[in-house]
Amino acid sequence: NAGVMQNPRHLVRRRGQEARLRCSPMKGHSHVYWYRQLPEEGLKFMVYLQKENIIDESGMPKERFSAEFPKEGPSILRIQQVVRGDSAAYFCASSPSTGINEKLFFGSGTQLSVL
Amino acid sequence: LAKTTQPISMDSYEGQEVNITCSHNNIATNDYITWYQQFPSQGPRFIIQGYKTKVTNEVASLFIPADRKSSTLSLPRVSLSDTAVYYCLVGGGDSSYKLIFGSGTRLLVRP
Repeated sequence: NAGVMQNPRHLVRRRGQEARLRCSPMKGHSHVYWYRQLPEEGLKFMVYLQKENIIDESGMPKERFSAEFPKEGPSILRIQQVVRGDSAAYFCASSPSTGINEKLFFGSGTQLSVL
Repeated sequence: LAKTTQPISMDSYEGQEVNITCSHNNIATNDYITWYQQFPSQGPRFIIQGYKTKVTNEVASLFIPADRKSSTLSLPRVSLSDTAVYYCLVGGGDSSYKLIFGSGTRLLVRP
């Protein structure tokens, strides 16, 4: 049973380009969460999605960032017109449900570098 | 969501027991305490979770005093592979997925 799969592991973009980060949750998990981690800091919540629905995007910047979790296929975090400040590690997590204090399973992350 | 305070770093030697204490003075009645471990270039991994008293699993023990304003993660007989960052998180309810990761405790295990 594979864990949470994220790709690519490393992504290099120039300022102004688009970045697309993919996340396949664990088998049987229908809840996906995205977090961002800056160097030497803890992870910060961005968005929570269920299949075809955004449940909570309170941690996601209003501009340039979007996320989706289609009925088929992985969840996608999309960053348009990237800037240097977007350079960070982006982690995806999944869970089978959202019971109180549900344990989250994290992927290995995508390291985004903006030149 | 309650704020947590934990030491920035700790050093230990192989075979020793390591105790990392976390303060969470504003913990709410329905909050649980959860610890995650993170290795470089990897996502956090769940270690243990508890509400009160003591919880033990195959990896660690979690001690929570009666007032629940602090908790201690205990790692028995650490090895070099336990070198990682350890995060203490407090939360509960429907927004428990909004995990607030502080800077964590960087544990360095020396030979």
